[in-house]
Amino acid sequence: DVKVTQSSRYLVKRTGEKVFLECVQDMDHENMFWYRQDPGLGLRLIYFSYDVKMKEKGDIPEGYSVSREKKERFSLILESASTNQTSMYLCASSARLAGNEQFFGPGTRLTVL
Amino acid sequence: DAKTTQPTSMDCAEGRAANLPCNHSTISGNEYVYWYRQIHSQGPQYIIHGLKNNETNEMASLIITEDRKSSTLILPHATLRDTAVYYCIVGSNDYKLSFGAGTTVTVRA
Repeated sequence: DVKVTQSSRYLVKRTGEKVFLECVQDMDHENMFWYRQDPGLGLRLIYFSYDVKMKEKGDIPEGYSVSREKKERFSLILESASTNQTSMYLCASSARLAGNEQFFGPGTRLTVL
Repeated sequence: DAKTTQPTSMDCAEGRAANLPCNHSTISGNEYVYWYRQIHSQGPQYIIHGLKNNETNEMASLIITEDRKSSTLILPHATLRDTAVYYCIVGSNDYKLSFGAGTTVTVRA
């Protein structure tokens, strides 16, 4: 089975801090994704990557950046955390770009105070 | 992408089949129907997807009408662990998944 792990289940940070969320998948998937999930808004795509060092903006990239130096690892970076970035962050991976069989990690609930 | 319409919630008895409907009347020819579920406090889990033909895997069956305007996800023998929010998503063969509100399914003993 595909396993997608995220570095933390819960995280509390202060406004202005730089925040790193890490995601690792163990199935050699080419594609990796970062979403955030908020009540009433569903899942929204922040960034995705289809190869090492490649990235593309999703629907809500503002305030975020990403890094993919190795195939199995995809990091989401909040350069200067703000309270409106308090959310559930979900990482996912898939075997190919053509196809939406995505495998999700357990999520990181980030609170920015 | 086409939008979907699902009931807000439904109950199901443990051990019985759960039939989850989804309407997608504006689906286009190259769009698939995907089903995911999300158990409380976990990430979404892929269940099944299909284009035209009915599909079955170890988790569920997907029945798509001939005109492709609606589909039904069938959980053959619901258990308490199947209590979750179920999302029906229609999309072309790319990376974009648009999760709506889904159907909250409660399996009761």
